[in-house]
Amino acid sequence: DAGVIQSPRHEVTEMGQEVTLRCKPISGHNSLFWYRQTMMRGLELLIYFNNNVPIDDSGMPEDRFSAKMPNASFSTLKIQPSEPRDSAVYFCASSLALYGSPLHFGNGTRLTVT
Amino acid sequence: DQQVKQNSPSLSVQEGRISILNCDYTNSMFDYFLWYKKYPAEGPTFLISISSIKDKNEDGRFTVFLNKSAKHLSLHIVPSQPGDSAVYFCAASALTGANNLFFGTGTRLTVIP
Repeated sequence: DAGVIQSPRHEVTEMGQEVTLRCKPISGHNSLFWYRQTMMRGLELLIYFNNNVPIDDSGMPEDRFSAKMPNASFSTLKIQPSEPRDSAVYFCASSLALYGSPLHFGNGTRLTVT
Repeated sequence: DQQVKQNSPSLSVQEGRISILNCDYTNSMFDYFLWYKKYPAEGPTFLISISSIKDKNEDGRFTVFLNKSAKHLSLHIVPSQPGDSAVYFCAASALTGANNLFFGTGTRLTVIP
């Protein structure tokens, strides 16, 4: 079991640029979650999918943020245009089901927007 | 507004002693609570959970206590070990077992050998 794989591990970009974060969930898991970690707010749920369908995106901070899950083995989180306040660690997590099974997190992508 | 609060950013404990990490929540609809542990440069990993129908759940050295009337839960680690040094996140959801979790800001535990 390779675990949840996120890429890149680190991303440094300039304000105004587009940023795409990638996630490969654990094979067989049908739920996928994107979280953002900041010192002030801890881990915030941005959006989650079940069977590749977005269920709740109410945590997405602004229209600059979008997420897709084109198939069961891949998801992206895009920020366009990026701003310095988007700097954070972004985690992807997957679970076997939406209920009753624990979240498995990837190692995160540390995003720095200058 | 933060619905799950961990008011202690850090805690230091001597090896072998008890570590007590605290968590408060504001949403009375929360009925499922979890603790996750996070090492540097890694994602959080699930540690222990408790449903609102219980007031205590134990797993080895880790025990979680829930006080619904006070909207408070705590994680006890006994005895504490240096390998327990990590950031601990409290999390909650409004549907038992649901994974759309609300997390706190974390408490960094340091266990001193």
